[in-house]
Amino acid sequence: GAVVSQHPSRVICKSGTSVKIECRSLDFQATTMFWYRQFPKQSLMLMATSNEGSKATYEQGVEKDKFLINHASLTLSTLTVTSAHPEDSSFYICSARGQGGDNEKLFFGSGTQLSVL
Amino acid sequence: GNSVTQMEGPVTLSEEAFLTINCTYTATGYPSLFWYVQYPGEGLQLLLKATKADDKGSNKGFEATYRKETTSFHLEKGSVQVSDSAVYFCARAGSGNTGKLIFGQGTTLQVKP
Repeated sequence: GAVVSQHPSRVICKSGTSVKIECRSLDFQATTMFWYRQFPKQSLMLMATSNEGSKATYEQGVEKDKFLINHASLTLSTLTVTSAHPEDSSFYICSARGQGGDNEKLFFGSGTQLSVL
Repeated sequence: GNSVTQMEGPVTLSEEAFLTINCTYTATGYPSLFWYVQYPGEGLQLLLKATKADDKGSNKGFEATYRKETTSFHLEKGSVQVSDSAVYFCARAGSGNTGKLIFGQGTTLQVKP
């Protein structure tokens, strides 16, 4: 089946630094990628939708200047948490949808646990 | 509002026990419903789905029936195995064919031998 690779799986950083998370589709071209965030004991919440070659669409309440999303190619999207603070500590996970795919042909990365000290 | 609520975990069962993980949703209309599973160290994988009312999704011994009357999509398995230990997420499709999913908070299942 289709594989989505997400890296790193775990990162610890100091407050004020930036962290980049990569999401790659390994064996298909992902026209659309989604970034989710999950706080402990809460739902996975959609942060933004990114389409290759265009600006990401952010969900209400998500700061676009803080969570920079780049989808420069059909196989790679990155999420950069800028000037991270302890409240940004969370589990981040991406998903990718292939060309011509529907709601049900979504493939997920394994997630990134971010801890900001 | 539009949300998905699933039972809190963790759920701890002995091998061969019966499993139920409850999931209810709120939505306008009848969105597709999904169960995803996340094994340790891996990404979420689609376990099963149902696209319309009264549909039953099934896979690997798991089943869930789309109940519009109770707005529920409970996950069941008759006899769990240690290898079923994972986090299970209930989800529904967002409006339109956008690829967006609305998830529950996940339920951790631990099966002991």
